[in-house]
Parts: sequence; C-alpha cells; structure tokens
Amino acid sequence: LAKTTQPISMDSYEGQEVNITCSHNNIATNDYITWYQQFPSQGPRFIIQGYKTKVTNEVASLFIPADRKSSTLSLPRVSLSDTAVYYCLVVSYSGAGSYQLTFGKGTKLSVIP
Amino acid sequence: ETGVTQSPTHLIKTRGQQVTLRCSSQSGHNTVSWYQQALGQGPQFIFQYYREEENGRGNFPPRFSGLQFPNYSSELNVNALELDDSALYLCASSLGERPDTQYFGPGTRLTVL
Repeated sequence: LAKTTQPISMDSYEGQEVNITCSHNNIATNDYITWYQQFPSQGPRFIIQGYKTKVTNEVASLFIPADRKSSTLSLPRVSLSDTAVYYCLVVSYSGAGSYQLTFGKGTKLSVIP
Repeated sequence: ETGVTQSPTHLIKTRGQQVTLRCSSQSGHNTVSWYQQALGQGPQFIFQYYREEENGRGNFPPRFSGLQFPNYSSELNVNALELDDSALYLCASSLGERPDTQYFGPGTRLTVL
C-alpha cells in the first residue's frame, strides 16, 4: 500500500504562490494522486487529480515527476480564504475490482495578510 | 442537485454499544466510501461500496461493517464500541467503480464514553 508524507504546516503571505509536496515513494504503476482541501468542521473538498506530468484546472496545478514518487500541489496567488488543511490521497487498485485509498496526514496552510 | 448528507450530525454512545451512521449519496453517484478521521489526523479509509458490493476495505476490524442500498445510500455499523472509535466519520460519493472525484458529506461526530 502506498504511504504518503506531507509537511505538517506551511505559512504564506497573501498573493504568493504556494507549493505543497507529498511524498509517496512506494506508489504502484496504476495508482493515481488526488488532492483535497478541508476547512474546520467540514468534509474534504476535491481540488485536483493526476497520474503523471502536469495537470491544471481553474484553482490549482499538480506536478508529478516521471518517477511519480512525489507530487506537488501548486496554488497560485493564495488568499486568506485558502487557509485550510490540504491532503494528498493515493488511490490504489489492489486487484479484482478492489481499491485502497490512503490519505496523507495533511498540511495546514496558514495564509497571512 | 442534492449533495452528500449524513445523519446524525452528532452522537454520544457508551463503550460496548452499537451504532449505525447513515449517508445519502449525491444524485447519480453509485460509489460510496467511508472514512474515520480522528482529531488532527487525516481521514482513514474504512471501506468502499460500488453498486451494493464492497470493493475495497482498509485496516479496520470486522466490527466495522457496512451496507449500500439500491438507491446507493449507505450505512456504517460499528459494534462493540471502544473509546478509540471516537472520531468524525465521513462518507463520500463518486461516480463509477474507480473512486475519482469524491464528494464528501459534513460528517458525523461520534463520541464514545
């Protein structure tokens, strides 16, 4: 099973770009990576998903190097409302139509005015 | 379009009791996943159901069991409650066998005394 490691916390000023990296050294060939955002007292919210190289949507970019042992979530020009906990999730196919989902412990991002 | 809902919002039980938590999936979604989130930790995968069949299970004992109904709503049952079962229980729904974009409910806060 994939094991994930993220920094516990990060601080950033408003307007800066923030990069959060997740390490998943034992990721398997068919596994893919998803990132979620969670505010206090709420369920996580989907941000972005990818398998390799770079994926971009309207809120973030996801960079996955060729060896796929890490992934980096990039948030452009953060605002105070981006203060939240960010989780990487590795989805693993374990055969016979069965899946395993492994969340990281989360990175608490604090955006400073 | 109705989002993912969970009931109850909060629950207090005593050690040894049994509890049933409920989840209503987002309209059109046929996969539901359940997670346990302890305070300050990332969500831990309990199990997943696709079209009423379990298609993934995390490292949780058999006293954690579940069901998915024909309308794709779901239940999580926990028998013989232990103090360590106190946590936020999250369900998430998605479309398709592979749990791509998951939509999370607000969670049920379970306290075991």
